[in-house]
Amino acid sequence: DIQMTQSPSTLSASVGDRVTFTCRASQSIKTWLAWYQQKPGKAPNLLMYAASTLESGVPSRFSGSGSETEFTFTISSLQPDDFATYYCQQYDSYPWTFGQGTKVEIK
Amino acid sequence: QVQLVESGGGVVQPGKSLRLSCAASGFTFSDYGVHWVRQAPGKGLEWVAVLASDGSVKSFYVDSVKGRFTISGDNSKNTMYLQMNSLRVEDTGVYYCAKGSTKWHIDYWGQGIPVIVSS
Repeated sequence: DIQMTQSPSTLSASVGDRVTFTCRASQSIKTWLAWYQQKPGKAPNLLMYAASTLESGVPSRFSGSGSETEFTFTISSLQPDDFATYYCQQYDSYPWTFGQGTKVEIK
Repeated sequence: QVQLVESGGGVVQPGKSLRLSCAASGFTFSDYGVHWVRQAPGKGLEWVAVLASDGSVKSFYVDSVKGRFTISGDNSKNTMYLQMNSLRVEDTGVYYCAKGSTKWHIDYWGQGIPVIVSS
């Protein structure tokens, strides 16, 4: 199975900050990577797929990059609504796997 | 408008069975992959199973549920099921039904349904 590792596990930041966190795959997944945002008690919400393609309707302050085993997710200017947990997920091969999540907290 | 509505969750004793349902609307589920993803209390997301449709119907499972869980679908009802047998305490969590997109990734999620396995 492909292991997905996110870092950091928790990130403290302020409104307006630029934040970046990473996701590493244990083997190449090309660009078969999605990013989801989840708020407490809610279902996840798709932000990005194919590593760098923004889902329709998602603000352009979110961006993604990377390929093979190294991926990055960036929020260019953190907004109050962005405080949440973010998960990467590979869909290169079954079983699909998620990273353990990066929680973005208010500093 | 795509909607996924889960039902059938609840409290069950270890070793017992439960069947989750996922009613889909706004799309024909047999035209897409449909997934189950779960989340243990306070933990991250875990992909559980898929009913994949790429010309032929196939199912795949995470190792921890193989032989115990079965995913199936009823095209006439546009509904997917997850039959969960020999339930364990570690199967406790919120179970989400999710729709695969034309580009494979999951694009829509249900609201989730709790499953509690406890004696």
